[in-house]
Amino acid sequence: NAGVTQTPKFQVLKTGQSMTLQCAQDMNHEYMSWYRQDPGMGLRLIHYSVGAGITDQGEVPNGYNVSRSTTEDFPLRLLSAAPSQTSVYFCASHEWRGSTGELFFGEGSRLTVL
Amino acid sequence: AQRVTQPEKLLSVFKGAPVELKCNYSYSGSPELFWYVQYSRQRLQLLLRHISRESIKGFTADLNKGETSFHLKKPFAQEEDSAMYYCALSGSSNTGKLIFGQGTTLQVKP
Repeated sequence: NAGVTQTPKFQVLKTGQSMTLQCAQDMNHEYMSWYRQDPGMGLRLIHYSVGAGITDQGEVPNGYNVSRSTTEDFPLRLLSAAPSQTSVYFCASHEWRGSTGELFFGEGSRLTVL
Repeated sequence: AQRVTQPEKLLSVFKGAPVELKCNYSYSGSPELFWYVQYSRQRLQLLLRHISRESIKGFTADLNKGETSFHLKKPFAQEEDSAMYYCALSGSSNTGKLIFGQGTTLQVKP
């Protein structure tokens, strides 16, 4: 049981490049989300999804796109990377309905935009 | 607006000393509060939730609705408690969103 798997773990981009951070979970959780972690700012919600085909914006959605075509996968796309998107990104999931509120996190993806 | 505030970026104590990590929240309804912990080179994980009223690894946290606080306490800190601690709020069961505070790094010195 792998839980939440994120790839890649590390990535360096140049300004203007695009990329996709992958996230997959094998717990059949309905709810998935993406956070970014910055010093002094804590974890901020980027986008989230409460099921396949349903996504919504979090606190800091600008510059990011998401889709949820399956229950298992929730990729995060950066269309045109900017230095302000240098951060550590975490994907998380939980059951949502009947949930105890426990989020299960991936190991994180460290992104540097030059 | 929903908000979680952790006023201390860094809390440094000696082993055996009491620990209190502060968390204040802003929410108009009945929130669910959580503490998450991130040990070095490990995933962020749930430490405890207010609804369970449990003690995990010697830590406890009481929800004080009057003061809108959910401080994390431990009477005697251990070196292995050194980690980043996040307070989080779930204010709406319809979305499942968790709002996190800024985080507090706890450093327990020998």
